[in-house]
Amino acid sequence: SQQGEEDPQALSIQEGENATMNCSYKTSINNLQWYRQNSGRGLVHLILIRSNEREKHSGRLRVTLDTSKKSSSLLITASRAADTASYFCATEEDSNYQLIWGAGTKLIIKP
Amino acid sequence: EAGVAQSPRYKIIEKRQSVAFWCNPISGHATLYWYQQILGQGPKLLIQFQNNGVVDDSQLPKDRFSAERLKGVDSTLKIQPAKLEDSAVYLCASSLEFGPKYFGAGTRLSVL
Repeated sequence: SQQGEEDPQALSIQEGENATMNCSYKTSINNLQWYRQNSGRGLVHLILIRSNEREKHSGRLRVTLDTSKKSSSLLITASRAADTASYFCATEEDSNYQLIWGAGTKLIIKP
Repeated sequence: EAGVAQSPRYKIIEKRQSVAFWCNPISGHATLYWYQQILGQGPKLLIQFQNNGVVDDSQLPKDRFSAERLKGVDSTLKIQPAKLEDSAVYLCASSLEFGPKYFGAGTRLSVL
């Protein structure tokens, strides 16, 4: 089942601009993860933020987590054409090792 | 470190035929997942294995889908008979308990 909702569903920006995607979820979690999927390919893990963390950075990626609002955001700074992909958030609960997925945000970077 | 291997990459079959997918997870990963991803949607978990045992297969259509994990390593997912609505990408992933899941490239199935 899908518990995450991502916003926006699609985003088109110019190369060099920043891209922000949001994710909301419904239950308490162990961690929240972001994945990227290029067209026709498998999913690639980008970053994981634990429930007791508020912000995390990895290269040009910045993730925030607000457990009181059950929401997260992914910021990609200085976007590149190669960032064109679908981005999914997924939450992992305490009870098992399963991920509950959102429907994804389709990001298009225009050169 | 070798990633998750899946085969075949593409498969086209007629409805009511059978098909099988194979997955070899990352060495040492006890947990293996099969997902179905329909175009424009997030992945849907079909079955989760922990070593040899099934942890969750609540969303596996058991009248037509079956899966096994041999000796806690390789896994196969079978569909028999296939329906038009089974057209999707089938993704295999593996992991160590909590944390990142590592995905294979997937098998794109078209049922005609």
